[in-house]
Amino acid sequence: DVKVTQSSRYLVKRTGEKVFLECVQDMDHENMFWYRQDPGLGLRLIYFSYDVKMKEKGDIPEGYSVSREKKERFSLILESASTNQTSMYLCASSQSGGIYNSPLHFGNGTRLTVT
Amino acid sequence: AQTVTQSQPEMSVQEAETVTLSCTYDTSESDYYLFWYKQPPSRQMILVIRQEAYKQQNATENRFSVNFQKAAKSFSLKISDSQLGDAAMYFCAYRSARGNKLVFGAGTILRVKS
Repeated sequence: DVKVTQSSRYLVKRTGEKVFLECVQDMDHENMFWYRQDPGLGLRLIYFSYDVKMKEKGDIPEGYSVSREKKERFSLILESASTNQTSMYLCASSQSGGIYNSPLHFGNGTRLTVT
Repeated sequence: AQTVTQSQPEMSVQEAETVTLSCTYDTSESDYYLFWYKQPPSRQMILVIRQEAYKQQNATENRFSVNFQKAAKSFSLKISDSQLGDAAMYFCAYRSARGNKLVFGAGTILRVKS
């Protein structure tokens, strides 16, 4: 089974802090994604990466950056955390290709609270 | 840009009954994929069912089936013989055949009554 591991389940940070959310997948997937989940808004894509050192902005990249130095690891960085970044963050990975080898596999999520 | 709309924030169903969750989407593309994901209270998102737009036959997975109406851009999920373990948030999602990222709807909370 594919395993996507997010380093923290709960995180509390102060406004202005630099925050790192880590995600590791163990199935050699090319694609990795960071979503944030908010009530009534569903999942919104922040950034994604289709290869090492490659990244693309999603729908809501402002205030975030990412790093993918190794294929299995995709980090989300909040340069200066703000209260409006309090949310659930979900990491996912997938293989490239057709439908049957590219469903998203999700981690368990990190609930971030910025105070 | 593609959008996905789930118009039912919450639904309830009696155990062993059937429930249908609605999803509509907007796209100008002809080739794409549609998905239903389930997120139980444990938070682990699980793929429930998937459909290729070029296939007219509706996908089924055991008690889960879809009603895919391409012209109407509708993709509803039917859960038969509902079980307590079906209680979760359900998300409808769209993916272009030309890309790898998914666009999600806002989700529908499904409650199952015993």
